[in-house]
Amino acid sequence: DAGITQSPRHKVTETGTPVTLRCHQTENHRYMYWYRQDPGHGLRLIHYSYGVKDTDKGEVSDGYSVSRSKTEDFLLTLESATSSQTSVYFCAISRESYEQYFGPGTRLTVT
Amino acid sequence: GQQLNQSPQSMFIQEGEDVSMNCTSSSIFNTWLWYKQDPGEGPVLLIALYKAGELTSNGRLTAQFGITRKDSFLNISASIPSDVGIYFCAGQLRTNAGKSTFGDGTTLTVKP
Repeated sequence: DAGITQSPRHKVTETGTPVTLRCHQTENHRYMYWYRQDPGHGLRLIHYSYGVKDTDKGEVSDGYSVSRSKTEDFLLTLESATSSQTSVYFCAISRESYEQYFGPGTRLTVT
Repeated sequence: GQQLNQSPQSMFIQEGEDVSMNCTSSSIFNTWLWYKQDPGEGPVLLIALYKAGELTSNGRLTAQFGITRKDSFLNISASIPSDVGIYFCAGQLRTNAGKSTFGDGTTLTVKP
């Protein structure tokens, strides 16, 4: 199994509060991704990174920001959480940008 | 943006039956990937396909990269209860810096 962890695994927060999710890898892979998964929508890409300090938007990036200051860590921040951001968030890593390996997920509930 | 149509949306089968599912796209991809997600876990890569027409097996699973590069198929032979889960296809273009487009998934239920 790829060495990829996500923290926290579960979080409940209130509307309007900032939230940061962390993805940590021990594989030294170049590419890292954040997805959200909602019923009926499969996996949708939020942001991705192709190297330290190199990030780009995915298809559902509004309301989210990311940072990657080290190869092993990719942070996803919700500046002001909304109920529509209640979801399961998955981090993924990839060495050569094709085959992706997913973390265990973070279940976020915004009340 | 690119969209994938994955079908069927769900399947209910008896243990021992064979399963077929597919993904189609309006645009071409250079790579097709198939993932399986067990309840409460992240998706796990099953098969990766890199060439049009390629047929690749992984145990009881066989996947094909369509010759038009706009579709892919996944077959599971002699299903068993642990095949239960959600199966996702994903397509990639080499020019897209690693971004995959995912289908909405096929939920498979296997009755013992």
